[in-house]
Amino acid sequence: EPEVTQTPSHQVTQMGQEVILRCVPISNHLYFYWYRQILGQKVEFLVSFYNNEISEKSEIFDDQFSVERPDGSNFTLKIRSTKLEDSAMYFCASEYGNEKLFFGSGTQLSVL
Amino acid sequence: SQQGEEDPQALSIQEGENATMNCSYKTSINNLQWYRQNSGRGLVHLILIRSNEREKHSGRLRVTLDTSKKSSSLLITASRAADTASYFCATDAGYNFNKFYFGSGTKLNVKP
Repeated sequence: EPEVTQTPSHQVTQMGQEVILRCVPISNHLYFYWYRQILGQKVEFLVSFYNNEISEKSEIFDDQFSVERPDGSNFTLKIRSTKLEDSAMYFCASEYGNEKLFFGSGTQLSVL
Repeated sequence: SQQGEEDPQALSIQEGENATMNCSYKTSINNLQWYRQNSGRGLVHLILIRSNEREKHSGRLRVTLDTSKKSSSLLITASRAADTASYFCATDAGYNFNKFYFGSGTKLNVKP
């Protein structure tokens, strides 16, 4: 079965550094998402992306965050200057348009 | 916020028993979904119920939706140890199909 792939599985960075989290969505999917989950708790919406532009974003997704789909297969989340509170599991998800989300296994980001 | 909130936060049952989890939300929706998350992994879609549906079944899963009470329930019948996971409900934003809100989940422990 096709799956969403995320790399790396773990990322450790120093506060203030830039990080890029990478995702390869399922190939015929049209909508792409980033979510994050802190300490196995609430799953928080960050951003949705469709037709090469952001369609929705949350209050969390401020100017420090950006997303790109540079080559038609990868979907990246960049955090420009990481803060301690950015430490979380970041999940990428994609869907074909039937609202059923397929999630990757996540990238655990630790900001020291 | 539109977030679905699951109840109870944690549930522990014996194998073979039924497990019922509830979800409440705040504003109008187009559909409600349930997802499962095994520890440290991504979320897996279980079932979607539309706002004009009252009940849906999938294998041992039964979902109900009461739009007048803005609530849903997920019933897992004849539970197995392998059902041990966290279960999340997700609602859309009503006006927008590309934004899904998740709650904090119900942690289900099925004891063998």
